Amino acid sequence: EVQLVQSGAEVKKPGESLKISCKGSGYSFTSYWIGWVRQMPGKGLEWMGIIYPGDSDTRYSPSFQGQVTISADKSISTAYLQWSSLKASDTAMYYCARPMVRGVITGGFDYWGQGTLVTVSS
Amino acid sequence: DIVMTQSPDSLAVSLGERATINCKSSQSVLYSSNNKNYLAWYQQKPGQPPKLLIYWASTRESGVPDRFSGSGSGTDFTLTISSLQAEDVAVYYCQQYYSTPIFTFGPGTKVDIK
Repeated sequence: EVQLVQSGAEVKKPGESLKISCKGSGYSFTSYWIGWVRQMPGKGLEWMGIIYPGDSDTRYSPSFQGQVTISADKSISTAYLQWSSLKASDTAMYYCARPMVRGVITGGFDYWGQGTLVTVSS
Repeated sequence: DIVMTQSPDSLAVSLGERATINCKSSQSVLYSSNNKNYLAWYQQKPGQPPKLLIYWASTRESGVPDRFSGSGSGTDFTLTISSLQAEDVAVYYCQQYYSTPIFTFGPGTKVDIK
């Protein structure tokens, strides 16, 4: 069974750093891209970026380029999303998701993590 | 960048009646080389991650009830719920994957019971 399991909720202060994770199982982790999606409270879905764990090729949405870093450790089948200096406006639910087509950045996202709620408040 | 719009923002439909959601892209998402529309539909219920319903504009994901159908081509698409059930109350999003690696979502349409 394919699963994406994300790390737990975080409460941070502005200016702090954070790294959240998404662990894949039940499939060849290095053969599928993994993306990240932001959902601010009460709002819609925003595409952040995507990584290919096989070679760490990473692409970012222009809206998030320079604001976050996406990485992966294929030895433990885990993708990461990190911030070096959080802002209150980073408060949101963050989802990882896997495109349905093996090895290619295309197709709908057929598997999603359960989400990680990040709260940034002083 | 491709911009996705949806209409209406919300709708309320009686149980058993048809619900229709429209999605429009600012440029065509039809790839001429394979004649496929690079568009997906998702359902998101409160407190849950999105669930893939439809891909390639009209292909139903495995396990999705056949009351859900997708249609359209080029820039104009429709998600239809043929007979609304109580469990269909959710927000529905369209998404283009034509201009990857940018996967743009529509703003969402909230579906409620009248």
